[in-house]
Amino acid sequence: AQSVTQPDIHITVSEGASLELRCNYSYGATPYLFWYVQSPGQGLQLLLKYFSGDTLVQGIKGFEAEFKRSQSSFNLRKPSVHWSDAAEYFCAVAPFGNEKLTFGTGTRLTIIP
Amino acid sequence: EPEVTQTPSHQVTQMGQEVILRCVPISNHLYFYWYRQILGQKVEFLVSFYNNEISEKSEIFDDQFSVERPDGSNFTLKIRSTKLEDSAMYFCASSLMNTEAFFGQGTRLTVV
Repeated sequence: AQSVTQPDIHITVSEGASLELRCNYSYGATPYLFWYVQSPGQGLQLLLKYFSGDTLVQGIKGFEAEFKRSQSSFNLRKPSVHWSDAAEYFCAVAPFGNEKLTFGTGTRLTIIP
Repeated sequence: EPEVTQTPSHQVTQMGQEVILRCVPISNHLYFYWYRQILGQKVEFLVSFYNNEISEKSEIFDDQFSVERPDGSNFTLKIRSTKLEDSAMYFCASSLMNTEAFFGQGTRLTVV
């Protein structure tokens, strides 16, 4: 069975600083990988996805993620965070398309001025 | 921009009562899902629905749960006899080609 690990429960970053959120997955083949963001009181919004091809994928709101097969990782990055990026971030994996997404436990991001 | 809408945003129900959570997926989407998130825990898959039938379900989705697409636009999740442990945020999602899923805002279900 696939699983997702987000080792950081809570991260605090200064506004304007760079960000990296970690995600490791466990799956027998190359899975489909996703990052979602959940702002307070909101639903889950897809930031970006990786299905195949270029291992560096660009998403919305200036986010990018890099798939590294050798490390079973799909870390999310942003060069300069904005106060509006404060939210909960979820990494997810699926064996085919997005049938039965398996989510990580999430990383809560706090931005300080 | 099209979106998945869920109603109600918050539902309080007594233990043992039936509850129906409603979702309107994006209109041309073909795949539909329910997930739930118990407070403080991860988002968990419940069920997927395609071509008017369940395509996959998790072990959480037992006989107390059912899904229906009654009129070609709504997608509902019914819990027949609610238990305290059913209290959670329930998310509906839809996708066009079994690729990226679009999620609704969620319905917070509180069982008292």
